[in-house]
Amino acid sequence: NAGVTQTPKFQVLKTGQSMTLQCAQDMNHNSMYWYRQDPGMGLRLIYYSASEGTTDKGEVPNGYNVSRLNKREFSLRLESAAPSQTSVYFCASSDRRGGGEQYFGPGTRLTVT
Amino acid sequence: GDSVTQMEGPVTLSEEAFLTINCTYTATGYPSLFWYVQYPGEGLQLLLKATKADDKGSNKGFEATYRKETTSFHLEKGSVQVSDSAVYFCALSPDNDYKLSFGAGTTVTVRA
Repeated sequence: NAGVTQTPKFQVLKTGQSMTLQCAQDMNHNSMYWYRQDPGMGLRLIYYSASEGTTDKGEVPNGYNVSRLNKREFSLRLESAAPSQTSVYFCASSDRRGGGEQYFGPGTRLTVT
Repeated sequence: GDSVTQMEGPVTLSEEAFLTINCTYTATGYPSLFWYVQYPGEGLQLLLKATKADDKGSNKGFEATYRKETTSFHLEKGSVQVSDSAVYFCALSPDNDYKLSFGAGTTVTVRA
């Protein structure tokens, strides 16, 4: 039981390049989330998927797109990377609303030069 | 909207010292409250939670009590160890909602 896995662990991009961050969970959770973590700002929600087939914007969605490929997988795409998107990205999943614990992946450290 | 404010760090302590990290929240209704911990180089993991007023969450010697009258959920541990060095995040989940709102995080370093 791997929990939540993310690939890659590290990535360096040049401004304007694109990439997709992959996330998968093996806990049969309905809900999945993408966060970014920046110093002094905690975690901010980028996009989430309450259930398979649905996606919604979070607090900071600009510059990102997501795809809920199936119940297990939720990817985050940067179409044209900018230095402001340098951050650590975390994927998480949960199985119920209002009091449900979220389980986090190990993170992807992205640097945009 | 809903928000969480937690004590700024960094906090540096000696082993066996008492730790408290303050957390207050703003929310409508009856949110659930959480403390998450992030060890160096890892993702976040749930430390403890409380889902209604006056509930006390506890785990690994840490405790926090859901105080609706003061809108607080302060984290405490009576005797810290070097292995408790981490970043601690207070978070809330609004009533009947999936999402978490996080505080900025407090870095704690425990020295031997």
